[in-house]
Amino acid sequence: EPEVTQTPSHQVTQMGQEVILRCVPISNHLYFYWYRQILGQKVEFLVSFYNNEISEKSEIFDDQFSVERPDGSNFTLKIRSTKLEDSAMYFCASTVRPASPLHFGNGTRLTVT
Amino acid sequence: DAKTTQPTSMDCAEGRAANLPCNHSTISGNEYVYWYRQIHSQGPQYIIHGLKNNETNEMASLIITEDRKSSTLILPHATLRDTAVYYCIVKNPVAGTYKYIFGTGTRLKVLA
Repeated sequence: EPEVTQTPSHQVTQMGQEVILRCVPISNHLYFYWYRQILGQKVEFLVSFYNNEISEKSEIFDDQFSVERPDGSNFTLKIRSTKLEDSAMYFCASTVRPASPLHFGNGTRLTVT
Repeated sequence: DAKTTQPTSMDCAEGRAANLPCNHSTISGNEYVYWYRQIHSQGPQYIIHGLKNNETNEMASLIITEDRKSSTLILPHATLRDTAVYYCIVKNPVAGTYKYIFGTGTRLKVLA
């Protein structure tokens, strides 16, 4: 069964550094999402992306965050200048249409020191 | 904010049915009920969804009350691998927001 794959599985970075989290959604999917989960807390929506533009974003997704689909297969989340509070699991998800269930990757654990 | 209310935690004996309730009293006519689960820190996994009829798939059954204000996810023969956090989410699949809003879910522990 096709999967959403995320790399790396764990990323450690220093405060103030830029990070790029990578995702390969399922190949025929058209809608893409990033969620995050701080340890012990809820899964929180960050952003949705369709037709090469952001369709929705949360208040967490401020100017430090950006998303891109640089080619036909990758979907990336960039954090420009990381803060300690950005430490979390980041999940990518995709779906073929909004009415269909989301398929999630297994996440990237980001640790900011 | 999440539109659903779920118990914080439940235990279930291995091999028995696990019945996980969800209250969604403010659900509107076009909103579906979706169930996902999260095993340890893995990505959420889709289980099942429905509008008003009961649904069954290879993983679970979904029973939705006639007034649609609540539903129950049934795992018919729970195994230790079903230990997870289970999320009930209400969403209109084709209008308005694309996002799913996760609540705190029910932490199900299946006991040997």
